[in-house]
Amino acid sequence: DAMVIQNPRYQVTQFGKPVTLSCSQTLNHNVMYWYQQKSSQAPKLLFHYYDKDFNNEADTPDNFQSRRPNTSFCFLDIRSPGLGDAAMYLCATSRDRSSETQYFGPGTRLLVL
Amino acid sequence: DQQVKQNSPSLSVQEGRISILNCDYTNSMFDYFLWYKKYPAEGPTFLISISSIKDKNEDGRFTVFLNKSAKHLSLHIVPSQPGDSAVYFCAASESSNYQLIWGAGTKLIIKP
Repeated sequence: DAMVIQNPRYQVTQFGKPVTLSCSQTLNHNVMYWYQQKSSQAPKLLFHYYDKDFNNEADTPDNFQSRRPNTSFCFLDIRSPGLGDAAMYLCATSRDRSSETQYFGPGTRLLVL
Repeated sequence: DQQVKQNSPSLSVQEGRISILNCDYTNSMFDYFLWYKKYPAEGPTFLISISSIKDKNEDGRFTVFLNKSAKHLSLHIVPSQPGDSAVYFCAASESSNYQLIWGAGTKLIIKP
């Protein structure tokens, strides 16, 4: 089945220790997104890739970076996690950027100690 | 300024009855609307969508209605099942913008 896969599902890191979350997709979609979601609030978009073109949201902290080495994979790097970065991180994909359905992965729950 | 509003934080419905979740929006440029369902500790799952050129879209037990003049959409689930208990998010987008604008979510509880 075509899908969006996130690894790991749960990640524990220490305050200030860099962490990388990964996402892969078999949908062959052009766009990949990273969201942060806390409790049952609406997801907050951090950035997205349209093909290789990186687009950062204005209010995304510099602490968050992303890489997309190829169509299928996208990584979220948190350079120095703080306690406030503990959240669910969601990867999503869409075929194109506008008026398109976004398909989400299961998420990675990040815990910062 | 919230462009997409889900005014009911929670809704409780008897199993087998109809669940109606509501969503209002303010931006008349929105032309694509989606409903997502979210279980605890999981990512949102796409349920159903509707384009602004339609006023109704149906998929099995799920029907979305769009009233453009009232800037209102609703999701009907019939019959409601225990597995429908989740948080439901309404989201909207416009063709000139990649962003999904999300509502705050409605927690649906299906009582046996």
